[in-house]
Amino acid sequence: DAGITQSPRHKVTETGTPVTLRCHQTENHRYMYWYRQDPGHGLRLIHYSYGVKDTDKGEVSDGYSVSRSKTEDFLLTLESATSSQTSVYFCAISGSNPATFSGNTIYFGEGSWLTVV
Amino acid sequence: EDKVVQSPLSLVVHEGDTVTLNCSYEVTNFRSLLWYKQEKKAPTFLFMLTSSGIEKKSGRLSSILDKKELFSILNITATQTGDSAIYLCAVCNNFNKFYFGSGTKLNVKP
Repeated sequence: DAGITQSPRHKVTETGTPVTLRCHQTENHRYMYWYRQDPGHGLRLIHYSYGVKDTDKGEVSDGYSVSRSKTEDFLLTLESATSSQTSVYFCAISGSNPATFSGNTIYFGEGSWLTVV
Repeated sequence: EDKVVQSPLSLVVHEGDTVTLNCSYEVTNFRSLLWYKQEKKAPTFLFMLTSSGIEKKSGRLSSILDKKELFSILNITATQTGDSAIYLCAVCNNFNKFYFGSGTKLNVKP
């Protein structure tokens, strides 16, 4: 398994509160991602990072911010949680696939289940 | 707008059947196409394809890419109940951004 740890794994929070999800990797990969997964929508990219302090928005970035101060950590913050942000959040990393020696493969953490009430 | 479209959205078959899952894409600066299987938790990697016409195989699963027509198919032969899962297609561009389809939910009945 890729060395990706997400925390917390489950959280229930109230509308309007800030929430931070943490992703920690031990693979020293350059690229890190935050996705959310909802029924009927597959995986949608929130933000991604291509290096320390280098981040870019994905397709559903409104209401989310990220920070990457170290190679191994990528934080996702919901500035003021809303019920529409109830979802499963997956962190992912990207690096070369040793089986193919070409291109990159994306690997996922175990997910963080967030419920906003 | 970059997008990946999978079909069908869901599929119910019986053990022993053969299934074909489809993935079409419109992604600029295409680099590779990947297939993942997702059961209860995180998606797990199945295949990566970068060149047209070269079939990748792993046991009963195989996949092929057509870069001219911008689609890929994932075939599963002699399906088993353990194949029940969501199958996700993703396309990676030259900037290491991965775009996912909404997935095909496969249910294999005994």
